[in-house]
Amino acid sequence: DIVMTQTPLSSPVTLGQPASISCRSSQSLVHSDENTYLSWLHQRPGQPPRLLIYKISKRFSGVPDRFSGSGAGTHFTLKISRVEAEDVGIYYCVQGTQFPRTFGQGTKLEIK
Amino acid sequence: QVQLVQSGAEVKKPGASVKISCKTSGYTFTNYAMHWVRQAPGQRLEWMGWINTGDGERRDSQKFQDRVTITRDTSASTGYMELSSLRSEDTAMYYCALGGFDYWGQGTLVTVSS
Repeated sequence: DIVMTQTPLSSPVTLGQPASISCRSSQSLVHSDENTYLSWLHQRPGQPPRLLIYKISKRFSGVPDRFSGSGAGTHFTLKISRVEAEDVGIYYCVQGTQFPRTFGQGTKLEIK
Repeated sequence: QVQLVQSGAEVKKPGASVKISCKTSGYTFTNYAMHWVRQAPGQRLEWMGWINTGDGERRDSQKFQDRVTITRDTSASTGYMELSSLRSEDTAMYYCALGGFDYWGQGTLVTVSS
């Protein structure tokens, strides 16, 4: 199974400041169709996760442009250009290249 | 708009089975595969399995070793996940999700307790 490892596990951030989360996979996430199926999810307390980013850097419908994704191969990054109060919660990376699908352990974003 | 509505919370005894439904609307059911994901209290998301809603092909996580059965009813635009031989460690929130985790159900809390 592909192991997904996120850092940091906790990120206290000041409102209006940037935030960055890293996700590494134990194997390359490049699929045989040449796509890289790495997504980012955001989960607020008591709510289901919601999709933010797919295929490394594509924003899902309705996602603000302060969220951006980058990376390749085994190393990926989610960036928030200016953190807002509604961004608190847990962020997960997930790979869709291979079965079984696997998630990172989550990064908790909180406001300082 | 795409909606996924899951069945209600369940309380089960160890050794029992639970079957959760995920009724969808707002799109063509067979256009998206369906995943099942669970989250134990304070834990990370855990993938349980997937079904191609078009042809019924399934992939399950080896972790559940034949305890999980994922099905779908295309006429009802509904997916199902059944977990058998329940144990206390199966206490979790269970979610259905579509495609590349594009859309999620609201979750179904399953509590396993004697």
